Amino acid sequence: EVQLVESGGGLVQPGGSLRLSCAASGFTFSDHYMDWVRQAPGQGLEWVGRTRNKVNSYTTEYAAFVKGRFTISRDNSKNSLYLQMNSLTTEDTAVYYCARERAAKVGAVECDSWGQGTLVTVSS
Amino acid sequence: DIQMTQSPSSLSASVGDRVTITCRASQSISTYLNWYQQKAGKAPKLLIYAASSLQSGFPSRFSGSGSGTDFSLTISSLQPEDFATYYCQQSYSTPYTFGQGTKLEIK
Repeated sequence: EVQLVESGGGLVQPGGSLRLSCAASGFTFSDHYMDWVRQAPGQGLEWVGRTRNKVNSYTTEYAAFVKGRFTISRDNSKNSLYLQMNSLTTEDTAVYYCARERAAKVGAVECDSWGQGTLVTVSS
Repeated sequence: DIQMTQSPSSLSASVGDRVTITCRASQSISTYLNWYQQKAGKAPKLLIYAASSLQSGFPSRFSGSGSGTDFSLTISSLQPEDFATYYCQQSYSTPYTFGQGTKLEIK
């Protein structure tokens, strides 16, 4: 069974940093692209970024709003995904989800498994 | 970035009703369109992928259709457990973008 478990959320002051982790199990982690998606309180879903798989050299890409503040990394020996967040603002307050990408068929890419999320609150 | 416009933003319906939610992309995305179901306080769940493929674990009363720019999600006969918020998402190109969501409420 695929499992994704996020941790590391909490209260941080504006301008501060936080590192989120996502522990993966039940699948070959290095084979999959992995994404971060966030959801501000009472709002919709917003894609943060992703890291590609081993075949694609684990390269990363980000949403524009990240503006160099966030870094996605992975440790395949630990089956773990990370999101390092710096220069946080109140607008970064959200539940952060990690999600596994899958391409079940030609013409498809989807996030088929999600963690339970971890809440990041940026406030003074 | 590809904009996803979902409608309606909220919908009140009764058990047994047939409901349809639509999603429009700002440019053609072929069939790179997914639907997610999210219940209050929970993570989203993949419901439909590749515009029309039903994810394992969901009943056949859910169906998706469309290609290019216009897509729809239909629930043929609403059940109490279907009341949730539904999001479309394009996965044609990054940044992946979501519709604003449709909150399906009990009438």
